[in-house]
Amino acid sequence: DIVMTQSPTSMSISVGDRVTMNCKASQNVGSNVDWYQQKTGQSPKLLIYKASNRYTGVPDRFTGSGSGTDFTFTISNMQAEDLAVYYCMQSNSYPYTFGAGTKLELK
Amino acid sequence: EVQLVESGGGLVQPGSSLKLSCVASGFTFSSYNMHWIRQAPKKGLEWIALIYYDSSNKYYADSVKGRFTISRDNSKNTLYLEMNSLRSEDTAMYYCAKEGYTTDYWYFDYWGQGVMVTVSS
Repeated sequence: DIVMTQSPTSMSISVGDRVTMNCKASQNVGSNVDWYQQKTGQSPKLLIYKASNRYTGVPDRFTGSGSGTDFTFTISNMQAEDLAVYYCMQSNSYPYTFGAGTKLELK
Repeated sequence: EVQLVESGGGLVQPGSSLKLSCVASGFTFSSYNMHWIRQAPKKGLEWIALIYYDSSNKYYADSVKGRFTISRDNSKNTLYLEMNSLRSEDTAMYYCAKEGYTTDYWYFDYWGQGVMVTVSS
């Protein structure tokens, strides 16, 4: 199975910060990586698909990049409503696998 | 509005069985692949099963292969997950998810609210 290693595990941030997190695949997954946001007590929501494509209605402060084995997710201007756990997921091959998540907390 | 509503969870003993349902509305259920994804308490997400729109193909994670069966009834707009030989490590919130797609890519565009399964004696 492909292992998705996500870093950091958590981040203490302030509103307005630029937030960057990473995901490294154990083998080449092309651009087949998605990013999901999960707020406390809610189901996950798709933000970015195919590494860099913003899903419908997702604010442009959320961006993704990368290909092959290294992927980055950025929130350019952190808002309070962005506090959540963010997961990367590879859909290059079954079984689909998720990273362990990056939790954003207020400083 | 797309809605996915899971049901059937609960507290069961190790070794027992349970069948989850996910009723879909707001889209043409019979045209989309569907997935089950689970999340153990305070843990991350684990994809566990996929069924094609016409039930022609099914895929499972190794952790559930041979014990869980995914199925669907397109006439009832319902997705199922039959779980047998349950173990404590199957304790989790179970989500159904719809597979959306663009020209050449697929993703989980809608998730249900989840249903909790607790396996404990």
